This record gives sequence, structure tokens and C-alpha cells, in this order.
Amino acid sequence: AQKVTQAQTEISVVEKEDVTLDCVYETRDTTYYLFWYKQPPSGELVFLIRRNSFDEQNEISGRYSWNFQKSTSSFNFTITASQVVDSAVYFCALSGGSGGSYIPTFGRGTSLIVHP
Amino acid sequence: DSGVTQTPKHLITATGQRVTLRCSPRSGDLSVYWYQQSLDQGLQFLIHYYNGEERAKGNILERFSAQQFPDLHSELNLSSLELGDSALYFCASSVDPSGGPDTQYFGPGTRLTVL
Repeated sequence: AQKVTQAQTEISVVEKEDVTLDCVYETRDTTYYLFWYKQPPSGELVFLIRRNSFDEQNEISGRYSWNFQKSTSSFNFTITASQVVDSAVYFCALSGGSGGSYIPTFGRGTSLIVHP
Repeated sequence: DSGVTQTPKHLITATGQRVTLRCSPRSGDLSVYWYQQSLDQGLQFLIHYYNGEERAKGNILERFSAQQFPDLHSELNLSSLELGDSALYFCASSVDPSGGPDTQYFGPGTRLTVL
């Protein structure tokens, strides 16, 4: 069975602080995919990144960066110089396995509050 | 804007009633997934359709059903509604799951309130 743990329920920071959101996963699959989604107060789920299990390179996109470490089964997300607009709930998700349908398992989400 | 559309955006109804939620996937996407998001259960997968055929079922109640039409839009039918069915219902679409876990793009959701 797959499992995604986002141990941080809520994080509160002041604008311009750096913040890291943790994601730890469990899977028996050798091939799998990891995702991060953002859910702002407006409610929609916005896709941020997808990473497959064979690619452990870190990724940077503007103020966002992701650190994937298979050795610790973690896929952490860092926001540098946070802004109020980053306030949202962030979900980590895991897909993988056999069969015709790769249904992602989502973590419970981390609510990030960025204060001005 | 993900390209996935959902209607209606909000729905208020009474217990015992039946409602239909509609989803249009991104152009070219063959797969449609339905999710329920509630405060206590988090984001729960309900059902997956690929090109008109049901592919996988998750935690979907027997009172709920879905289908995907030839034009690839999908409808989620919720009947005999209970207070606990109040939630945000998301539709997501992806191109093709058979090649591996594909990125799902989510619609804006339908907020259902059962009074």
C-alpha cells in the first residue's frame, strides 16, 4: 500500500522567510511518481511539479525548489523568500503500481500561512 | 486555468435529494477522475474513467455513480444525499494512464452543501 505523510499540519511564517514543506512517502513499487499541488484559498488544485523515481535531481523553478531523496523516501518542497500569495494548502502525492489506473495517494496537506 | 471545467461551482440542496455534477476534461485528455475533499477525510479518490470505460473505483458510496460520455465529459451523480456528503468535489483529467502515472489537472471544484 502507498502512503504519503505530511507531518506539518500548519506552518506560519513572515514574508521573505524561507520555508520547507516536508513529504515522506512509502511504496513497494520500484517505479513511481511524486507530485506537489497547491490549493489556494480560492479552492482549486494547481499542479506544481511531477518527479519520477529514477530522477533524483533537485529542481528549481523561480522561488520554488524540490529536494527528492530516495534514501530517506522524501520529496521536500522549499519556498524561498516567501510571499503572501504563497499562502495555500500544499499537497504531496504519490502514484505508482501495476494495472491500468495509476491513482495517486495524497497526503493530508500542509497549510502555509505567510504573514505580511 | 487548468483547462478542466466543472459545473456548477456551488450547489445547495437538502437531504434525500439527488444532484448531478458535470466535468469537461482538458482538450485531448481521455481520462477523468473524481475526488471528494472534506475536512475530516482529506482528498479521497472516488472513480476513474478512461475513454468512456470505468477503470478504477475508490471510496465511492453505492449512492454515488458516474459515467463518461462519448464526448469525454463526465457526470457524477449523488443520490439520497446526507449531511455528510457536503464537501468539495473535484474532477481531474489526464492524457492517458496506460503509459504510467500521468499528471492530473484539476478543475475548480463543485462545493456541495447538503442542508
